[in-house]
Amino acid sequence: QVQLVESGGDVVQPGRSLRLSCAASGFTFSNHAMHWVRQAPGQGLEWVAVISYDGSYKDYVDSVKGRFTISRDNSKSTLFLQMNSLRAEDTALYYCVGEVGPKKFDFGGQGTRVTVSS
Amino acid sequence: DVVMTQSPLSLPGTLGQPASISCRSSQSLLYSDGNTYLTWFHQRPGQSPRRLIYKVSNRDSGVPDRFTGSGSGTDFTLKISRVEAEDVGVYYCMQGSHWPYTFGQGTKLEI
Repeated sequence: QVQLVESGGDVVQPGRSLRLSCAASGFTFSNHAMHWVRQAPGQGLEWVAVISYDGSYKDYVDSVKGRFTISRDNSKSTLFLQMNSLRAEDTALYYCVGEVGPKKFDFGGQGTRVTVSS
Repeated sequence: DVVMTQSPLSLPGTLGQPASISCRSSQSLLYSDGNTYLTWFHQRPGQSPRRLIYKVSNRDSGVPDRFTGSGSGTDFTLKISRVEAEDVGVYYCMQGSHWPYTFGQGTKLEI
């Protein structure tokens, strides 16, 4: 069973940085693409970033391009999201999502909350 | 970006009665490999989304057979044959055929 434990969320001021982590277990992490998806308070879901199984391919939604960086450490089965120049509109619950099959996605955790506020 | 439009956004359900949610995409979701990557998720309050249906009509393990997904191209439907109390929550359709992947606004099912 896919288990994903997100951490690193916090309350930060606009313009500051934060690094999210996601510890994966229950599947062969190094074989699968991984994603970050976020959900603003009381709102719907938004895809944020994707990284291929080996880290060679990355892509982002336009609203975070140039500010967020997705990365992974396959030796530690861990996914990261480095978030710089944070804005109020980045306030959300961030979920780590595993692509357990071709475009087959598992939300295995409870998310980590990021609040950007002065 | 592909816009996913769900209707209705609020769905009053009746126990034992059928319910249906529509999802329309602004572009065809037929991917170059011949598959259509339309997924349905269910999110209960305070929980993360759970996948119900993938590739339009494939029910996930453990998902009751009262849930059925159908459709093609740009028009998709999730049907619940008999609503049960545990079905409350928000249902999202999601497309994985075009980056960035996008979700519908969500349909809130209440009994």
